[in-house]
Amino acid sequence: GAGVSQSPRYKVAKRGQDVALRCDPISGHVSLFWYQQALGQGPEFLTYFQNEAQLDKSGLPSDRFFAERPEGSVSTLKIQRTQQEDSAVYLCASVGQTSSDYGYTFGSGTRLTVV
Amino acid sequence: GQNIDQPTEMTATEGAIVQINCTYQTSGFNGLFWYQQHAGEAPTFLSYNVLDGLEEKGRFSSFLSRSKGYSYLLLKELQMKDSASYLCAVTTFTPSGGSYIPTFGRGTSLIVHP
Repeated sequence: GAGVSQSPRYKVAKRGQDVALRCDPISGHVSLFWYQQALGQGPEFLTYFQNEAQLDKSGLPSDRFFAERPEGSVSTLKIQRTQQEDSAVYLCASVGQTSSDYGYTFGSGTRLTVV
Repeated sequence: GQNIDQPTEMTATEGAIVQINCTYQTSGFNGLFWYQQHAGEAPTFLSYNVLDGLEEKGRFSSFLSRSKGYSYLLLKELQMKDSASYLCAVTTFTPSGGSYIPTFGRGTSLIVHP
C-alpha cells in the first residue's frame, strides 16, 4: 500500500483483557518496528523485525507483550492481561533498504485505553 | 544506553525563525532524524543527518555536529500549521545487524502564535 496502515485506530480494553494490534507495512519494506508512545513523550522502542525474524525485542516491557510477523509482511502486537499502564499509542514503522530511503514511515498508531 | 535531550516546549511568532536543539550521548552513532508530529497523528519524516554540517530543505534546515553530540532543527518563516511536536531521534548500529533502531527524545512542543 501507499503507507503504513494500523488497526484498530482506537481500542478500549477492560483491565485483564487481551488485545491484538495490527500493522500493515509499506509493501516491500523489509524492516518493521513497534513503538509505544505515552502522552507527551517520545516514542519508546519495543521490538524490531527484519522480514519474519524478530531481531530485537529488548524494549518489550514485560512477558505480557508479544509480537509476530510470520510471513514477513503484516505484524501483530499482542498484549495479554492488559493493565492501566499499558494505555498509550502504539506506533508501527517500516523502512526500505535503498540508500535513498532513510525515512522510517510511521502508521497513525493505535490508541489503547485500558479501563 | 542513549541519552537524548531536547527542550520540552518552545513558543514563537508567525513569520519568525526558531531553532530547536537536540543533544545526545550514545555509542555506535550512525545518524540523527528529525520528525514532526501533530497531535493525534503519526510522526512524519523531516530530515536525516549522517555527516557534519547543515542540510537545507525548503523552510526547514537541520544541522549536525558528531563531535559535539549536537543537532538543531531550524524552521524559517513560521506558519501556524508548524505548531506541532518535533522529535529528535538517534540511530545506532545494532548488534544483530540489519536496520538501525531509532531512539527518540521526548519531543519539543512548538507553539506558533499570531
